[in-house]
Amino acid sequence: GQQLNQSPQSMFIQEGEDVSMNCTSSSIFNTWLWYKQDPGEGPVLLIALYKAGELTSNGRLTAQFGITRKDSFLNISASIPSDVGIYFCAGPTSGTYKYIFGTGTRLKVLA
Amino acid sequence: GAVVSQHPSWVICKSGTSVKIECRSLDFQATTMFWYRQFPKQSLMLMATSNEGSKATYEQGVEKDKFLINHASLTLSTLTVTSAHPEDSSFYICSLLQPMAITDTQYFGPGTRLTVL
Repeated sequence: GQQLNQSPQSMFIQEGEDVSMNCTSSSIFNTWLWYKQDPGEGPVLLIALYKAGELTSNGRLTAQFGITRKDSFLNISASIPSDVGIYFCAGPTSGTYKYIFGTGTRLKVLA
Repeated sequence: GAVVSQHPSWVICKSGTSVKIECRSLDFQATTMFWYRQFPKQSLMLMATSNEGSKATYEQGVEKDKFLINHASLTLSTLTVTSAHPEDSSFYICSLLQPMAITDTQYFGPGTRLTVL
């Protein structure tokens, strides 16, 4: 079945640094979504991508829909302590609105 | 995006009892809601799709008689964990599907942490 693998699995960074993470799939997705989950909370939508090659920003966050439609990237610029959390990519399975979630990237920011 | 609430936010119960979790859409009439389960340090796994006025559809491996879903109105879906066991302890999260300009998008509730003793 479809799977979404995220890299890196976790990362420690210094406050102010830029962060990059990616999400890859063995199959094509027509929509990519990036969510952030704080401890003990539900995921919050950060960015949605709908077209191959699309580059979309939300404040310090920028995400790109890969040209092959099998990957997506999320960048966070000038990280701050509140960026701590788990970042998930997600996408709808073929022909449905059911989402598959990626394995997650756990981000820890050192002040 | 849509605002989703869940109640309770956490619950502790004894093994063998049943627990009901509510998922409410506060500002939107949702015909479709989803229920997920998340174990510690793992990703979200879809359990079932809740359709207003009809039976829920369950993912492979999810026991429909154990996880009862009722979506009786456009703003409320409930998940009842029947005869709960310690292995049912998990974080349960609901979401609803909101039509957007390009494609429908899921918005999530804050989750309910269930601990079965």
